[in-house]
Amino acid sequence: AQKVTQAQTEISVVEKEDVTLDCVYETRDTTYYLFWYKQPPSGELVFLIRRNSFDEQNEISGRYSWNFQKSTSSFNFTITASQVVDSAVYFCALSHTGNQFYFGTGTSLTVIP
Amino acid sequence: NAGVTQTPKFRILKIGQSMTLQCTQDMNHNYMYWYRQDPGMGLKLIYYSVGAGITDKGEVPNGYNVSRSTTEDFPLRLELAAPSQTSVYFCASSPGRGFSYEQYFGPGTRLTVT
Repeated sequence: AQKVTQAQTEISVVEKEDVTLDCVYETRDTTYYLFWYKQPPSGELVFLIRRNSFDEQNEISGRYSWNFQKSTSSFNFTITASQVVDSAVYFCALSHTGNQFYFGTGTSLTVIP
Repeated sequence: NAGVTQTPKFRILKIGQSMTLQCTQDMNHNYMYWYRQDPGMGLKLIYYSVGAGITDKGEVPNGYNVSRSTTEDFPLRLELAAPSQTSVYFCASSPGRGFSYEQYFGPGTRLTVT
C-alpha cells in the first residue's frame, strides 16, 4: 500500500524561527518519487521540489531545505528564518510512475510576525 | 503561457443536476489529472490521463467521468450531483514519463451541491 503521513496538522512559529515539516511515506516499490507542494491562503498549489528514490542527497534552495532518508522513509522539509509569506498549507506526495499520486493531509504553517 | 486553466471558478448545483468542469493546459503536457480536496484533507485523485484517448481511475472515481480527446483538454463530468461531491476540484498536468512528474495545478473550482 502507498501512503503519506504528515502527522503535524498545524504549526505556529514566530517569524525568523526555523521550522521542520515532517513527511513519512510507505511504499513497497523501489522506484518512486517524492514531492512537496505549497498551498498559500489564495488556494493555488505550487510545486516546490521532486526527489526520486535513488537520490538521497539533501537539497537546499535558499531558505528551504529537504532531508530525504530512505532508512526511516522520511522526506522532511525545513524552512530557515521563517517569514510571514511562508504561511501556507504544505503537502507531501508520493508517486511511483507519475500516474497515481498519494498526498498527505497537509501541515498548516502559520508564521507570526 | 496560461498554464492550466479551469472553469468555472465557483458553482452551486442542486442535488441530481449534472455539470462539466473544464480544464485546459497549453504546455503540451502528456499527463493530466483531476483531484478533489475536502476541508482539512489532502488531495484525492479522481481520474488521470497519460495521453489523448487514454484515461484511468484514481482513488475516488465514483460519480465522475472524464474524456481526453485532445492533449490540451481534460473535462470532468459530474452526473447526478450529490452533497458528498461538495469540494474544491483541481486539475493538474505534468510532462510525464521520460520527462518529469512534477505537476502544475490549475486555480481550482469550488463546487457546492445543495
